[in-house]
This record gives sequence, structure tokens and C-alpha cells, in this order.
Amino acid sequence: SYVLTQPPSLSVAPGQTATISCGGDNIASKSVHWSQRKPGQAPVLVLYHDTDRPSGIPDRFSGSNSGNTATLTISRVEAGDEADYYCQVWESEHHYVVFGGGTKLTVL
Amino acid sequence: HLHLQESGPGLVKPSETLSLTCTVSGGSINSSAYFWGWVRQPPGKGLEWMGSMSYTGSTYYNPSVKSRVTTSLDASKNQFSLKLTSVTAADTAVYYCARAQSLANAPALIDYWGQGTLVTVSS
Repeated sequence: SYVLTQPPSLSVAPGQTATISCGGDNIASKSVHWSQRKPGQAPVLVLYHDTDRPSGIPDRFSGSNSGNTATLTISRVEAGDEADYYCQVWESEHHYVVFGGGTKLTVL
Repeated sequence: HLHLQESGPGLVKPSETLSLTCTVSGGSINSSAYFWGWVRQPPGKGLEWMGSMSYTGSTYYNPSVKSRVTTSLDASKNQFSLKLTSVTAADTAVYYCARAQSLANAPALIDYWGQGTLVTVSS
């Protein structure tokens, strides 16, 4: 089965840059999507197709995908960015959705 | 703005069937552009996609639960449902309903989620 690996946690000071990785075998051949989940709230899509932002998502959120690692970058981190972040791909060979284990972002 | 809301029992006995419904507002489920499905998260574990279904009848299920899962759509009520049979404690989880965009007729991009509902399996 296809596995996506994320760091369990990341701590960043306000105003700094948070970089969250999502590792998978040749992940560059897939479209990676990122969702943000805050406690008690519905998850929200923050990035799709590696680099695209849904309407309403600030341009502080950006992404890349190369080789075996996709990355979500949050610039000028704010307290409101504190959340769990999940990467997601569609495994087209065996037809199923795969999620990364999630990264808990703490804003110091 | 699309809104999804899960509903159903919060407690299910072992060996029984877990049934959840998702009510969609702000959009219609009778579109071939989307799949409607379910994701769960057991306590202390990661997200697990369970399956998705389109209005046209295309279905995809996670092999880990495929033998126990049934999904259905009710366009008249703008709802879709999940049934999971023969549940055990391992099925205790927060269950999310979700919409996925159809890409090459597959639920490749989950773009809207419900808030989630906790279902506990216990006698």
C-alpha cells in the first residue's frame, strides 16, 4: 500500500516560516492536497494540486512537490494557523485515497 | 457555501451496524462532478478514508473495510449515508462526511468536510 509520511509535530514562532513535509515514493508523480483541521472544526482544504489555493486561503500558504517529498509552506505564521495539517493523494493504481499521518503545528 | 453535517447514534454495540447520515446544504449531491464519502479517525490515529460514491453510481471503497461498508445517496433529501456492519471497538472513531471532486471519474480531491461525529463501539 502507498504510504505518506509526515512529521508528527512542528513548532514555529509567530512571523516565522513553517515547512511541513509529506513523503511518499515518487510522490512527484501524484497530485498532493493539503487540509487544515482546527479543534472542533471541520477540516478545510488549504492547498490542492500541489500548489493551488482555494479561494479565501491567504497567499501565505504555498506548496511544492518534487521527487519523494511534497511540502506545505506557511509564511509569516500567525496564531490562527495553529492546527493539524494533513496531506492527501489519490492512489490511482489501486483506487484509494491515502492520507498522511498529520502534523500538529504549534505556534509558540 | 457548501455545508456538510453528520448525524447518527454516538454509541453502537459490538457486532451491530453503524449507520450515519450526512446532510448537504448549499449545493446539490446530484452532480456527476463530485463524489460523496466518509473518512474516519480512531482515537490517537490518523485519518482513514472509507469510501466515496458518485450520483452516477460509481463507488470506491478502502479495501480494509470494503466487505463491511455500504454507501447510498438520497437526492430527494440531499443526503448520503454510511452503513458499517459487524462493528468492533476498533471502529470507534470520529467519522467525517466529505465531498471529493471527480477527477478522471475518481474521488481524487477531498475539498469539503463535515465537522465530524464521534461514534463509540461499546456494550
